[in-house]
Amino acid sequence: NAGVTQTPKFQVLKTGQSMTLQCAQDMNHEYMSWYRQDPGMGLRLIHYSVGAGITDQGEVPNGYNVSRSTTEDFPLRLLSAAPSQTSVYFCASTNGPNYGYTFGSGTRLTVV
Amino acid sequence: GQQVMQIPQYQHVQEGEDFTTYCNSSTTLSNIQWYKQRPGGHPVFLIQLVKSGEVKKQKRLTFQFGEAKKNSSLHITATQTTDVGTYFCAGPIPIAYKLSFGAGTTVTVRA
Repeated sequence: NAGVTQTPKFQVLKTGQSMTLQCAQDMNHEYMSWYRQDPGMGLRLIHYSVGAGITDQGEVPNGYNVSRSTTEDFPLRLLSAAPSQTSVYFCASTNGPNYGYTFGSGTRLTVV
Repeated sequence: GQQVMQIPQYQHVQEGEDFTTYCNSSTTLSNIQWYKQRPGGHPVFLIQLVKSGEVKKQKRLTFQFGEAKKNSSLHITATQTTDVGTYFCAGPIPIAYKLSFGAGTTVTVRA
């Protein structure tokens, strides 16, 4: 039981490049979310999903796309990377509103 | 902007002392969750409070949910070096699954 797996752990991008951050969970959780963490700002919700085929925007969705074709996977796409997207990205999943979220180990992204 | 506010942002504690961190929301929460993140790590779920006035304990950690369900606190007694990290509170704002996190309280411990 691996929990929530994120890849890659580290990534450096040039401005304008695109990439996909991968997130997979093996706990059969319906609910998955993407957060970014910046110093002094806690965790801010980017996008979330309440099940396969269903996604919605969070607090800071601009510049990011998501899709949820399976229960297990919830990739986050950066369309055209900008220095403001330099951050630590966390994927998380939960079984429902009465349970806490399980977080992945994060992806540290630097955009130069 | 942030809908869940935490104070203080930083807490420097002498080993063995107690401290409290506070969480406040502008809206009534159906529940509140607490997480701990060790330096360089990821957030780990600690506990969820649901009922008005609820108090839960985990060893030296005491969590409380306010009567109006708009605030919460985490009290740590006899702080140890293992308590180092950032503690976040989070509430479902405006709906379930859209978990809104506070900015966190970062705790350092002087031995």
